[in-house]
Amino acid sequence: QKEVEQDPGPLSVPEGAIVSLNCTYSNSAFQYFMWYRQYSRKGPELLMYTYSSGNKEDGRFTAQVDKSSKYISLFIRDSQPSDSATYLCAMRRSETSGSRLTFGEGTQLTVNP
Amino acid sequence: GAVVSQHPSWVICKSGTSVKIECRSLDFQATTMFWYRQFPKQSLMLMATSNEGSKATYEQGVEKDKFLINHASLTLSTLTVTSAHPEDSSFYICSASGTGGPSTQYFGPGTRLTVL
Repeated sequence: QKEVEQDPGPLSVPEGAIVSLNCTYSNSAFQYFMWYRQYSRKGPELLMYTYSSGNKEDGRFTAQVDKSSKYISLFIRDSQPSDSATYLCAMRRSETSGSRLTFGEGTQLTVNP
Repeated sequence: GAVVSQHPSWVICKSGTSVKIECRSLDFQATTMFWYRQFPKQSLMLMATSNEGSKATYEQGVEKDKFLINHASLTLSTLTVTSAHPEDSSFYICSASGTGGPSTQYFGPGTRLTVL
């Protein structure tokens, strides 16, 4: 069983829709959670970084962490064609930023105009 | 925000030659750098972790004599693919974390290697 499960999609939505992306994890030692966006043939770009249960909002993006259920989500409001990309969840055990990350498989999102 | 650059962005080489990829942190000191490999439509595969001034720690199954990593300064790490073969063709991405701001890893734009 993988430590981090993420539905690879593909997910296709119309412009303006609310998008929900999710990851589950099995190891309760994971304490720090990230969402990265990766455009084709580019490096991942950090979108959200959280370390506590609850919600964190940044513009159209909201990251949600539920440590009791071992479940994290990323919501995108008013989705735009420019949001079309692969979204990767990532997590780590240690507070140390130099610790390795464990990634989900990534969800491929297409927002249709 | 934290910026990480990679050079070159794309390289084609002949089988048997060596290729060096540079990873630089532009606005922070990267105490730790990571090298990943990514195949099409797949997630990132960690190859090795390097701390400035120390030998890199390679993941299981990664040949350290084939993928040479040097992290000689707080802003530069290099990955050298030695005696490259077509099966080494892939997308190589570095990331960096360190002091002065970043609380997690920031990624470079990636290098596409094609070995003929």
